[in-house]
Amino acid sequence: QSALTQPASVSGSPGQSITISCTGTNSDVGGYNYVSWYQQHPGKAPKLMIYDVSNRPSGVSNRFSGSKSGNTASLTISGLQAEDEADYYCSSYTSSSTLVFGGGTKLTVL
Amino acid sequence: EVQLVESGGGLVQPGGSLRLSCAASGFTFSSYWMSWVRQAPGKGLEWVANIKQDGSEEHYVDSVKGRFTISRDNAKNSLYLQMNSLRAEDTAVYYCARGRRYCSSTTCPLPYYFDYWGQGTLVTVSS
Repeated sequence: QSALTQPASVSGSPGQSITISCTGTNSDVGGYNYVSWYQQHPGKAPKLMIYDVSNRPSGVSNRFSGSKSGNTASLTISGLQAEDEADYYCSSYTSSSTLVFGGGTKLTVL
Repeated sequence: EVQLVESGGGLVQPGGSLRLSCAASGFTFSSYWMSWVRQAPGKGLEWVANIKQDGSEEHYVDSVKGRFTISRDNAKNSLYLQMNSLRAEDTAVYYCARGRRYCSSTTCPLPYYFDYWGQGTLVTVSS
């Protein structure tokens, strides 16, 4: 199972909105509404930000939102803050009953 | 408060073995699927293995099948990963994570997201 495709890096200024894409195939992203997003600060464990494409766990800011169209899922962060600077990973269930992650996107807040 | 604390990492030679442990607290351990996820230095995340609540079902990524074994002791609120025939490419931080899933009336996938993670333990395979 190949990794999902994410841009290596994105950037934005405080207060702006950014979107991170996550592209897969009909056998993963496109076939299931089982896409999740994780935030990881350097040296820290990943933190769940979005599950089931667009659901936010309790405690996650509503500045974070998720969506999906076809084989591409997206994470949008609105009102960028300095603390949002981190690596972001998407993941999806697959037709092989396994889980595949994206390669990760480094978000820089300018 | 949910806590997952891994231990057991270290330096091991290629072909060697290592057993990782994860101590869970703050939730009913026996009610959840549990998983191991790893991250090679400077690389992305990779799901490694899942185990069902009662230990009756296990699933692995192809690259570790036959070499790694996931297990659990619900009486001790602990998760384990026995790693044999280790290779350089197994070098990574290994995270213990609580697996979750949504089951509909017709479909119940294996766990596909992780709502709590430990801090990780580093495994280095090198001579």
